[in-house]
Amino acid sequence: GENVEQHPSTLSVQEGDSAVIKCTYSDSASNYFPWYKQELGKRPQLIIDIRSNVGEKKDQRIAVTLNKTAKHFSLHITETQPEDSAVYFCGEGYQKVTFGTGTKLQVIP
Amino acid sequence: DTAVSQTPKYLVTQMGNDKSIKCEQNLGHDTMYWYKQDSKKFLKIMFSYNNKELIINETVPNRFSPKSPDKAHLNLHINSLELGDSAVYFCASLGGGIDTGELFFGEGSRLTVL
Repeated sequence: GENVEQHPSTLSVQEGDSAVIKCTYSDSASNYFPWYKQELGKRPQLIIDIRSNVGEKKDQRIAVTLNKTAKHFSLHITETQPEDSAVYFCGEGYQKVTFGTGTKLQVIP
Repeated sequence: DTAVSQTPKYLVTQMGNDKSIKCEQNLGHDTMYWYKQDSKKFLKIMFSYNNKELIINETVPNRFSPKSPDKAHLNLHINSLELGDSAVYFCASLGGGIDTGELFFGEGSRLTVL
């Protein structure tokens, strides 16, 4: 079964600070975990993903970590900028992606 | 040049009416989806088709009927619309390789039922 919990639901940070969003999943067979960013009024877009055979992946200011034993994964955004303000969704699964409930990130200039 | 396009973008209608949303992708992907995003921003999968075949059918009322005339198109028809159907409906197609995949979303169709 698929169940993805995401925390926090809202997050406010000062520009330049780091932001961390955490997700937990229930299916131990899960092997693919994408993160999507949805700006206000726009479509969700993939920003980074990780497969279960990798513990961490970085792409410039964003990184994702995965702990398979604990069944949780996290998105880390460093040196946040106002354009990082959006709703972020974690996901689990490949052909059938189950999304977390979303985190609204506000970066305060 | 839009990869995944949906029409209409906005739809306002009365309860009890029937409406359709159309989706087309020019990415050559085999798998397409309908997702529903409610007022709380939750993104829930509704249906998925792979090369015109239904492969995912979540617990969705029978009033919702998807149709895929070919692998580039996936339409959604909704009968007897209810207030709770108000949401943004996103079409998506699946790219990527084996065991990894990027969902390419359309711009969304905002349905308002009065």
